[in-house]
Amino acid sequence: SQQGEEDPQALSIQEGENATMNCSYKTSINNLQWYRQNSGRGLVHLILIRSNEREKHSGRLRVTLDTSKKSSSLLITASRAADTASYFCATDAETDKLIFGTGTRLQVFP
Amino acid sequence: DTGVSQDPRHKITKRGQNVTFRCDPISEHNRLYWYRQTLGQGPEFLTYFQNEAQLEKSRLLSDRFSAERPKGSFSTLEIQRTEQGDSAMYLCASSSNPDQPQHFGDGTRLSIL
Repeated sequence: SQQGEEDPQALSIQEGENATMNCSYKTSINNLQWYRQNSGRGLVHLILIRSNEREKHSGRLRVTLDTSKKSSSLLITASRAADTASYFCATDAETDKLIFGTGTRLQVFP
Repeated sequence: DTGVSQDPRHKITKRGQNVTFRCDPISEHNRLYWYRQTLGQGPEFLTYFQNEAQLEKSRLLSDRFSAERPKGSFSTLEIQRTEQGDSAMYLCASSSNPDQPQHFGDGTRLSIL
């Protein structure tokens, strides 16, 4: 079963705009991770944020975590056509395995 | 490239046949995971190994499924008597410890005719 939900399910924007995706989860976690998946490919790790962190940056990516609300957001700034992909959040639910959300499909138009 | 490698990339088989997939993790990673992903969904956990030991199995892993990691390096996932519902992408991932990211292969896409 899925741990949580991403919102929105699909997002279409123009190049240069920012994209924000949200993730909610259900149980306590040690860390939360965001992954990107291009069509027909495996998942590429983007960023890991620990439960005691509130915000993390990596290049054009900004991730926030609110453990009181059991939610996280991923912001991609100055989007590019190459950012077109599905984005998933995954939590560890205090175990070794990852539990993924349902994903956000991002389309960036040139 | 020393990433996670999966073989084959695609497998088409008739219902009732057995299939086996292979995963070669990143060499220094002692943890290896299998996930299944159906169209439009996120990956779902199947099982994982720490070295040779299979430490957890999902309820999704029926008795038709078996996974091994005999020498603590590569792993195989076998599905016996395949069914239509087994059609999915099977993903393998590895990591060095639970606090580090899992690195995924490109998966094996299984289609059951």
